[in-house]
Amino acid sequence: DAGVIQSPRHEVTEMGQEVTLRCKPISGHNSLFWYRQTMMRGLELLIYFNNNVPIDDSGMPEDRFSAKMPNASFSTLKIQPSEPRDSAVYFCASSRSGGRQPQHFGDGTRLSIL
Amino acid sequence: DAKTTQPTSMDCAEGRAANLPCNHSTISGNEYVYWYRQIHSQGPQYIIHGLKNNETNEMASLIITEDRKSSTLILPHATLRDTAVYYCIVSPANFGNEKLTFGTGTRLTIIP
Repeated sequence: DAGVIQSPRHEVTEMGQEVTLRCKPISGHNSLFWYRQTMMRGLELLIYFNNNVPIDDSGMPEDRFSAKMPNASFSTLKIQPSEPRDSAVYFCASSRSGGRQPQHFGDGTRLSIL
Repeated sequence: DAKTTQPTSMDCAEGRAANLPCNHSTISGNEYVYWYRQIHSQGPQYIIHGLKNNETNEMASLIITEDRKSSTLILPHATLRDTAVYYCIVSPANFGNEKLTFGTGTRLTIIP
């Protein structure tokens, strides 16, 4: 079975540019999570969706970050404008909802903002 | 979410059992104990979870104390591929509150 698919795997761009990260969850999973991992802050949840609806976006750092889930098989995390401090590895995860279901993580997008 | 305390790092000889402790003294009655691991450059991987009974699956065993204030993850026969950061997390993980808060974890190194 295909796991969570993220693209791109690596992104290098200059500050001020718009960055869009993409995620395809596992088929049949209806909860989707976006995490960010840095050396300083570790792994932190940015936002999660259930049935395509944002449930908790308290981890979204600021208005420059936005996330959408237009359908059950696709989600995007957008940063506009990007800043060097946004450099991190961004992970997407999905799970079946209903509580206590394990989250399955993608391989992440390594983002570098110059 | 209740916080957890784990040792920063541990070593274990290949082929031996790796026992990773976790303290969660403020755990609530509805919170489960979850274990994930992260191998270098990969996304975290689910290992096991439990509420109050001991649990076992193909990857590991989870031993939870009777008062639920601590737990131990056991990898019965550690291999080099088990070298990773192991995270102990407590969460109710019920509908509408599926958030997992990752701490700093334990860096487990399996020694050949």
